[in-house]
Amino acid sequence: NAGVTQTPKFQVLKTGQSMTLQCAQDMNHEYMSWYRQDPGMGLRLIHYSVGAGITDQGEVPNGYNVSRSTTEDFPLRLLSAAPSQTSVYFCATSLRFPYEQYFGPGTRLTVT
Amino acid sequence: AQSVSQHNHHVILSEAASLELGCNYSYGGTVNLFWYVQYPGQHLQLLLKYFSGDPLVKGIKGFEAEFIKSKFSFNLRKPSVQWSDTAEYFCAVTNNDMRFGAGTRLTVKP
Repeated sequence: NAGVTQTPKFQVLKTGQSMTLQCAQDMNHEYMSWYRQDPGMGLRLIHYSVGAGITDQGEVPNGYNVSRSTTEDFPLRLLSAAPSQTSVYFCATSLRFPYEQYFGPGTRLTVT
Repeated sequence: AQSVSQHNHHVILSEAASLELGCNYSYGGTVNLFWYVQYPGQHLQLLLKYFSGDPLVKGIKGFEAEFIKSKFSFNLRKPSVQWSDTAEYFCAVTNNDMRFGAGTRLTVKP
């Protein structure tokens, strides 16, 4: 039982490149979300999903896309990376909203 | 706009001192409240949560928090901190989604 896994752990991108951050869970949780963590700003919600096929925007969705084709996976796509997207990204899951969330180990992304 | 405020950005205490970290939110209606902790180099872990009932909730590692509805507050407390409590602490509130405060960094000096 791996819980919440995220890949990659570290990534460096050049401005304008695109990439996908992977998030997978094996807990059969309905609710999944993506946050970015920046110093002094806490965690800010990017996108979330209450179940397969359903996604919605959080506080800071611009520049990011998500999809939820299965219960287990919730990838986050950066369409055209910008230095402002340099951050640590956390995926989190919950049995259902609004129960407590379980966090993955994070992906540290640097955009140069 | 809906928000979660943590007023203490960095708190430095000596071991055995008492701790209180403030959290206020601006949501109306029914909310669920959480405190998470992030130890250095680790991901967030749940400390405690409040959904309903007794407004004084107890969590892991001796932490507790009190929900005061009239003050829109959910402050975290611990009577006697340890060096191992050095971490960053985040308050979170659910309404339509889960929003976090900016975090409070706690440093406990041995």
